[in-house]
Amino acid sequence: EADIYQTPRYLVIGTGKKITLECSQTMGHDKMYWYQQDPGMELHLIHYSYGVNSTEKGDLSSESTVSRIRTEHFPLTLESARPSHTSQYLCASSEGGRTEAFFGQGTRLTVV
Amino acid sequence: GDSVTQMEGPVTLSEEAFLTINCTYTATGYPSLFWYVQYPGEGLQLLLKATKADDKGSNKGFEATYRKETTSFHLEKGSVQVSDSAVYFCALGQAGTALIFGKGTTLSVSS
Repeated sequence: EADIYQTPRYLVIGTGKKITLECSQTMGHDKMYWYQQDPGMELHLIHYSYGVNSTEKGDLSSESTVSRIRTEHFPLTLESARPSHTSQYLCASSEGGRTEAFFGQGTRLTVV
Repeated sequence: GDSVTQMEGPVTLSEEAFLTINCTYTATGYPSLFWYVQYPGEGLQLLLKATKADDKGSNKGFEATYRKETTSFHLEKGSVQVSDSAVYFCALGQAGTALIFGKGTTLSVSS
């Protein structure tokens, strides 16, 4: 059973608000990822980190930012939420040279 | 670059029918291949994997064989259940990099 947690599970927030989506894992994995899932279910990599103090942008441009100050924690922040940010956000982690990733349950964000 | 193509859905089946979801890939080197499943309102769960050519991954009655000659990793199940209704993702992984996913195939099974 994977130990990766995302909070909140659901969030409805007004336009212009600052939000942080939390992601934590207890497996000691060095690599962590954020995916955005569109209504058609396709997954888009928006951020990844290969270790503490290392973050990179993914394939899909995103207005969000991430930080990796501790191995287990990889929060995603939106400084000013907009309706176009409405989506499901999935966090994942993987270990070293292994390719399989473990996913959290996701955060469904709605910006009104 | 590497990519994954899987059949578009939705796939609609009756209970106990045979399931095939096609997946093909393009990759350099020797990737690992995966099938993930996403139930409504949930994250992705690893369903099965294969790490080298001719490997067969299996779990919960689902199977997929890593075919290097046809660059395919088709998902099959002999008899689907209503509880198998979900979105299925084929994915490719190279060591140390993020997984590359197909677009997902929605499966709906009716009783």
